[in-house]
Amino acid sequence: QVQLQQSGPGLVKPSQTLSLTCAISGDSVSSNDAAWNWIRQSPSRGLEWLGRTYYRSHWYNDYAVSVESRITINADTSKNQFSLQLNSVTPEDTAVYYCVKEKTGHYDWLDPWGQGTLVTVSS
Amino acid sequence: DIQMTQSPSSLSASVGDRVTITCRASQSITRYLNWYQQKPGKAPQLLIYAASSLQSGVPSRFTGFGSGTNFSLTISSLQPEDFASYFCQQSYIAPRTFGQGTKLEIK
Repeated sequence: QVQLQQSGPGLVKPSQTLSLTCAISGDSVSSNDAAWNWIRQSPSRGLEWLGRTYYRSHWYNDYAVSVESRITINADTSKNQFSLQLNSVTPEDTAVYYCVKEKTGHYDWLDPWGQGTLVTVSS
Repeated sequence: DIQMTQSPSSLSASVGDRVTITCRASQSITRYLNWYQQKPGKAPQLLIYAASSLQSGVPSRFTGFGSGTNFSLTISSLQPEDFASYFCQQSYIAPRTFGQGTKLEIK
């Protein structure tokens, strides 16, 4: 079955860049019926979709308007993984970050989820 | 963005009870509605997709219903492992949006 393993630091200083990676096993980041998402969760914002990358003859990205000026999601086909970079972080970016596979087709759903990474933005 | 509104935000119930959680979309999403369960300290897990289709391995006491803007998740006979938080999510359009969650607690 598909498994997602997240890695990256749990503490980031304000104004710096948050970087997380999600390694995929049991599927391909280039799959034509999947999209690879980053979602975060905090008590104040709940579950917030940040963006996704997917391959359909070429690579596409969708980003949430709230972070689109600061976010980059990239796929690395050589390592079968995808990554999140969020620039210029503030304490409001403190949250648990999840990488998630979205099965796409006639109907779409989010499964599975990575284990989550608590990222704290603090000096 | 499509707003998803769940109710109630919290619910106390006993083992064996039948409970229903509702989710309303701010516009029609036909059947593009998914439900997730989340236990403390864990990632959400898919329960139901396309409004009423049970994810593999999910017990049949979970039932999803609805279309358009109104949806529900019913647990027919609560088991101890069902006490958790539940979220709805629309997959009709980007950005994907979630309900604020329903926390199901033991009475």
